Amino acid sequence: EADIYQTPRYLVIGTGKKITLECSQTMGHDKMYWYQQDPGMELHLIHYSYGVNSTEKGDLSSESTVSRIRTEHFPLTLESARPSHTSQYLCASSTRDLAGNTIYFGEGSWLTVV
Amino acid sequence: AQTVTQSQPEMSVQEAETVTLSCTYDTSESNYYLFWYKQPPSRQMILVIRQEAYKQQNATENRFSVNFQKAAKSFSLKISDSQLGDTAMYFCAFVYNNNDMRFGAGTRLTVKP
Repeated sequence: EADIYQTPRYLVIGTGKKITLECSQTMGHDKMYWYQQDPGMELHLIHYSYGVNSTEKGDLSSESTVSRIRTEHFPLTLESARPSHTSQYLCASSTRDLAGNTIYFGEGSWLTVV
Repeated sequence: AQTVTQSQPEMSVQEAETVTLSCTYDTSESNYYLFWYKQPPSRQMILVIRQEAYKQQNATENRFSVNFQKAAKSFSLKISDSQLGDTAMYFCAFVYNNNDMRFGAGTRLTVKP
């Protein structure tokens, strides 16, 4: 299995709370991604990064923010959680030259906002 | 725009039988890569098989093989001798140049004993 880790795996929080989902990889990959996936549904890219100090928004509009201060670390933050943010968040990483290479996924973080 | 379509939301197969999952894609690119990923219930998504568009030969990985029809923009996954552990969501994915990977909506496969 790939060396990419997400914490927490499961979280239930109240509306209006601030939450940070952590993601770390030990493969030295330049590119990192955050996908949002509702149960049994397709993946939507919400953020990605080409490397340190690089962050880009994905296809799906998201109220979350990300940072990339270190190569191995790509946290996602929700400043004020809402029930509509309830979903699974998947972190992933790849080499810079994605074509021909695979994306490695973390185990996911299940977020429930009540 | 590059799109990936999986037209079968759910499928089931008896253990030891063969099943084929469909995937079509739309692109104007000539050189690209296609993937099938497997996501077991509550577990990590993993790569099943990968196909390079410029290669005519269909990729195979043990019980998993693809039928890549470039002209038809079709990339189906065949699972032979299905096992209970094959029960999962299967996602078809596409990438070209150095752009981001595009995923289909997924097919939920259930292998029945």
